[in-house]
Amino acid sequence: AQSVTQPDIHITVSEGASLELRCNYSYGATPYLFWYVQSPGQGLQLLLKYFSGDTLVQGIKGFEAEFKRSQSSFNLRKPSVHWSDAAEYFCAVGPFTGGGNKLTFGTGTQLKVEL
Amino acid sequence: NAGVTQTPKFQVLKTGQSMTLQCAQDMNHNSMYWYRQDPGMGLRLIYYSASEGTTDKGEVPNGYNVSRLNKREFSLRLESAAPSQTSVYFCAGRDRGAGEQYFGPGTRLTVT
Repeated sequence: AQSVTQPDIHITVSEGASLELRCNYSYGATPYLFWYVQSPGQGLQLLLKYFSGDTLVQGIKGFEAEFKRSQSSFNLRKPSVHWSDAAEYFCAVGPFTGGGNKLTFGTGTQLKVEL
Repeated sequence: NAGVTQTPKFQVLKTGQSMTLQCAQDMNHNSMYWYRQDPGMGLRLIYYSASEGTTDKGEVPNGYNVSRLNKREFSLRLESAAPSQTSVYFCAGRDRGAGEQYFGPGTRLTVT
């Protein structure tokens, strides 16, 4: 069975500081990995995705994530956080194809940005 | 393109009442999904439709039914609402050959 763990429920960073949100997954085959962001009262927006190729992927809003197969991790990073990045972030894993392409989501990390 | 739309945005029901949450997409998605989001639990899949004419149970299907009316529309029905179904419901769609799902804005449902 596939699963995703986001060990940090809440993270607080100062504006301008760097950010790393952790994501560990369990998946029996080559995973398709995603990071989504959810602003208050909104739906989920895709930040970036990874299936194959370069293990460092770039996304929108200046975010990047690194896939490390040996650690079963797909951590999200941003060099300098802006106040508008305050939101909840979800990591997800699923198949590239088949099985209804069902995604399994982590429980989320709430990011607070201090000015 | 409106993307994935959901109606209503907010709803309050009494225990035992029924209602249907509507979802429509104009992005030609083949697959559509219904999730519920509860604090500290992330998103959990209720039902999905891999293609028009098919539906399958997800992780938490009890108390819900779905209809894939056509390629554009995928509705979620609560036949007899219970307080445990108080949640935020999201619909999502996915293109054939792509992995990412595109989400609607959500329906906030309260059952008293």
